[in-house]
Parts: sequence; structure tokens; C-alpha cells
Amino acid sequence: QQQVKQSPQSLIVQKGGISIINCAYENTAFDYFPWYQQFPGKGPALLIAIRPDVSEKKEGRFTISFNKSAKQFSLHIMDSQPGDSATYFCAASTDAGNMLTFGGGTRLMVKP
Amino acid sequence: GAGVSQSPSNKVTEKGKDVELRCDPISGHTALYWYRQSLGQGLEFLIYFQGNSAPDKSGLPSDRFSAERTGGSVSTLTIQRTQQEDSAVYLCASSFSSVGAEYGYTFGSGTRLTVV
Repeated sequence: QQQVKQSPQSLIVQKGGISIINCAYENTAFDYFPWYQQFPGKGPALLIAIRPDVSEKKEGRFTISFNKSAKQFSLHIMDSQPGDSATYFCAASTDAGNMLTFGGGTRLMVKP
Repeated sequence: GAGVSQSPSNKVTEKGKDVELRCDPISGHTALYWYRQSLGQGLEFLIYFQGNSAPDKSGLPSDRFSAERTGGSVSTLTIQRTQQEDSAVYLCASSFSSVGAEYGYTFGSGTRLTVV
């Protein structure tokens, strides 16, 4: 069974700190790794994504780090803000796939 | 429309009743997905449509669940004889293509189903 394991389940960070969420996968055929952000009462929204041909991708305060040999990838939120408080999901799919496999989610709270 | 529209936004139903949940995807999006999210939990895949066909129904939890899509657009998820464990938020997403999910899923805001 394809799986993506996400940790931690919840995270509390002070404003200005760095939030780090980790994911690990088993299927070596996965080659697309997006992160989704979900605010209460809303559906998840695509935040940032990476392909395994690069080890890092940065968009503003959000960075994905990818370790192909370890089959792990992580989301780093620099200078975390209260507005970043949300649930974050990592996901993975194959190039020929039709479905994203999601991690279990991380509830992030950034304290002012 | 500009986004994925789901209706109703909230539904309270009595145990044993049937419910229909509707998803109106972004115009031109050929792929449509249904997920279920229980309180504080992750996203559970239910079913995927490419056009009007459903090549992957593997996530439907029981034969009480069914879904259809007509005209390559609107989709309806039907739950028959609802049970309390069906209570969850049902999310619909659409994308331009089924191949290469990097086109990105656009999710609706979901239907919160409560079975009492």
C-alpha cells in the first residue's frame, strides 16, 4: 500500500520562528511531492511542490527540502507568522498516476 | 465558475437516510476527485473520475457509497442508509489532467455531513 507518513501531528511555534514538517514515503516511483495548506472551513490549497531532480525549492518563506536516498522531504516555514496557522498536508504521486497520496496532516499554530 | 463549488455546505441527516452531495468542478477540468476528512484527520481518497468514467473506485468504504459524473462536469456522491461513522467533511477536487498531478488539485470547501 502506498503510504506517506507525516510528522509531527501538531506543532506550536513562536512568531518569527522556523516551522519544520517532515514526510517520508515508501514508493520509489513517486516523483512529484506537493504540500497543501488548509485553513479551517476551507479545502486544502496547493502551497508549493517539488520534483526529485532538485534537492530544494524555495518560494518566499516556504522551502521544500528533498532527500531522495532517504525517501524523505520536509517543509520549512521561515519567519513563521500567526497567519500561517493552518493544517499542512504533504502528498506524493507518480508521473503516470492519477491520485495524490496524502500524509496525515500537521496542525500548525504560530503564537504571536 | 472560478472555483470548485460544493453543495450543501452543511448537511445534518438522520441515521438510515440517504444523502446526495454535489460537486461542480472548474470548467475544463477533466479529472475530479472525492476525499473524506474526518474530524482532525487526514484526507481519505474515495473515488476518481476522468471525464464521466471512474477508473478508480478503490476508496469507496462500502457499497452504500456511490458516485456519478455527468457531462464531464458535475458529480454527485450518494451515501445510502447513512451511519454515524459517515459523519465527516466530504471534499471534492478537480484538475486539468489525470496524468501528472502537478497540474494541481483545486479543492472545494467541502460538505460537512453530520449523521444523528
